Amino acid sequence: DQQVKQNSPSLSVQEGRISILNCDYTNSMFDYFLWYKKYPAEGPTFLISISSIKDKNEDGRFTVFLNKSAKHLSLHIVPSQPGDSAVYFCAASGGDDKIIFGKGTRLHILP
Amino acid sequence: DTGVSQNPRHKITKRGQNVTFRCDPISEHNRLYWYRQTLGQGPEFLTYFQNEAQLEKSRLLSDRFSAERPKGSFSTLEIQRTEQGDSAMYLCASSQKGITEAFFGQGTRLTVV
Repeated sequence: DQQVKQNSPSLSVQEGRISILNCDYTNSMFDYFLWYKKYPAEGPTFLISISSIKDKNEDGRFTVFLNKSAKHLSLHIVPSQPGDSAVYFCAASGGDDKIIFGKGTRLHILP
Repeated sequence: DTGVSQNPRHKITKRGQNVTFRCDPISEHNRLYWYRQTLGQGPEFLTYFQNEAQLEKSRLLSDRFSAERPKGSFSTLEIQRTEQGDSAMYLCASSQKGITEAFFGQGTRLTVV
């Protein structure tokens, strides 16, 4: 049972434009959400997180939006840069600090 | 380097052999996680520790898998009688209790031939 779903396996975005990565979850007990970025042959790198008491968190070019009623979150990257090309994982946790990951979305930034 | 360290980075083993991986977490972190990642999938939760106590073990983890964190510092993951389906990237992460963000090591890539 996939509790965290990333339905787009890949996404291509022009350099300088906005990248929007989406994530849905099914477990209403999740109260903390994270995004990780992964390059080939490396471990995932923490990017940004959001608590369920907020609906938006911003860190530089990265903003995460949370819609609890829809059980949906999204990561916005503005402006997109070539170094943003990577696999992005959405993850969620529910109080026990156990982190459950989605399958990832591969982001390609086009020149 | 004060990040999460995993050894070895790569391991090739013959089917049926036992393998052991080591993870050294960030020194002040008391939570330690093991994940497995295969091609096209996200990291799958295997188990995690609070200090030396193993809090949960995924049903993905068969009896051939065992993890320990004997002194609450480094951890080992052992796979006995390896099978080809065990080929994957094994990831370790650590965090501080109460702070959900976990930081990953570079992983150990296991190939069972």
